[in-house]
Amino acid sequence: EAQVTQNPRYLITVTGKKLTVTCSQNMNHEYMSWYRQDPGLGLRQIYYSMNVEVTDKGDVPEGYKVSRKEKRNFPLILESPSPNQTSLYFCASSFTPGKGRALTFGAGSRLTVL
Amino acid sequence: GESVGLHLPTLSVQEGDNSIINCAYSNSASDYFIWYKQESGKGPQFIIDIRSNMDKRQGQRVTVLLNKTVKHLSLQIAATQPGDSAVYFCAENISMNTGFQKLVFGTGTRLLVSP
Repeated sequence: EAQVTQNPRYLITVTGKKLTVTCSQNMNHEYMSWYRQDPGLGLRQIYYSMNVEVTDKGDVPEGYKVSRKEKRNFPLILESPSPNQTSLYFCASSFTPGKGRALTFGAGSRLTVL
Repeated sequence: GESVGLHLPTLSVQEGDNSIINCAYSNSASDYFIWYKQESGKGPQFIIDIRSNMDKRQGQRVTVLLNKTVKHLSLQIAATQPGDSAVYFCAENISMNTGFQKLVFGTGTRLLVSP
C-alpha cells in the first residue's frame, strides 16, 4: 500500500531532551515536507526537501532540523525541544514539488513537550 | 483520535442535506486550489482541486467554486453523509520565482453530520 509512515504517533517528552520523528514513504517521491498543525493556525510548513540532500526552510523552521540522506526517509529532529513545540506534526510527500493534488500525508505525530 | 483543534468554525447539517464550506484565500497570484478532508486520527486527504482559470469543477458529490474577484473558494457536498464528518481545509498553491510551488493552508472548518 502506498503510504507515508510516521513514528512515533504519540510522544510525551521533557524540555531539552533531543528527539527524532521519523518519516518514510514508499512511493519513490522526490518531494517531502514537514508541517505542524496548531489550533486556529492550520498547517504550517516547517521544512521541505526537493530531493536527496536538498532541504530548505519552510515558514516555521526555528527549533527544528531535518536531513534527507535517502529518498524514502525525511526525519524531523528537535535538538532541544521546548513546550512551544507541543503540536501535531505531519509529514507529506509527492512526485511533483508542491503540487497539492499529489501530496500524500502521514497519519500524524502528536508531540507533547513538558 | 487526533484532534485538529478546539476552536474551528463548525458547520452542522442533517444527513441528506447539502453542505457548503467556505474559504477565503489571501494571494491573488495563487494559481491552483485544493480542498482536503481530515478525519479524526488521520492526515489530510485530497478531495478536489481547481485551477485559477476555472470557476467551477465537479467531482463525485463534491463541487468546488472559485470566485477570484473576492478571493473566495467554496466546497459543496451534495447529500451529505455521516462519513463526511471531518475537518475540511482549503489550500492555495502559489508559484514562486524560484520555480518552487508553495502550499498555504486555511485553518479549517469542522463538518458535523447528524443521522
